Amino acid sequence: AIQLTQSPSSLSASVGDRVTITCRASQGVSSALAWYQQKPGKAPELLIYDVFNLKSGVPSRFSGYMSGTDFTLAISSLQPEDFATYYCQHFTIYPLTFGQGTRLEIK
Amino acid sequence: QVKLVESGGGVVQPGKSLRLSCAASGFTFSNTGMHWVRQAPGKGLEWVAVISFNGGHKVYADSVKGRFTMSRDTSNNTLYLQMNSLRAEDTAVYYCAKNDDVRDGLIDYWGQGTLVTVSS
Repeated sequence: AIQLTQSPSSLSASVGDRVTITCRASQGVSSALAWYQQKPGKAPELLIYDVFNLKSGVPSRFSGYMSGTDFTLAISSLQPEDFATYYCQHFTIYPLTFGQGTRLEIK
Repeated sequence: QVKLVESGGGVVQPGKSLRLSCAASGFTFSNTGMHWVRQAPGKGLEWVAVISFNGGHKVYADSVKGRFTMSRDTSNNTLYLQMNSLRAEDTAVYYCAKNDDVRDGLIDYWGQGTLVTVSS
């Protein structure tokens, strides 16, 4: 199975900061990479698919990009509602796998 | 709007069985692949299984293969997960999730989840 390794595992930042979260795949996943946001006690929500495409309704301060097998989620100008856990997921082949998650906390 | 409502979770003893259900609405269920994804308490997301739009193709994670069976009933827009020979490590919130209309394996909507606790 394809392994996805996220870094960092946790991150403290302030409102207005720009942050990046990285997801490294153990093998090529082409552009079949998505990012989800999960708030405590809630289900995950799709943010980005195909590396950089924002789901309808997702604020433009979220962006995604890739370099080889490294994928990055960037959030510019953090808002209070952005503090959550973020997961990457590939959808190249089954079994689907997720990264271990990155918890974004308020500094 | 898409709505996925899971039910059937609860406390069950190791070795016993449980069946989860997921009522789907707001999209054409009969045209859409569906997934189950679980999350152990305080842990990350683990994909469990997928079923094709017509139920003809299913894939399971190695951790549940041979013990869990996914099925669907198009007549009442309901997804099921039959879980047998349950183990303590199956304790998790189980999410029903909808596959994207175009991209196989991309999950675009999730239910609110149902908690399964395997304990004696």
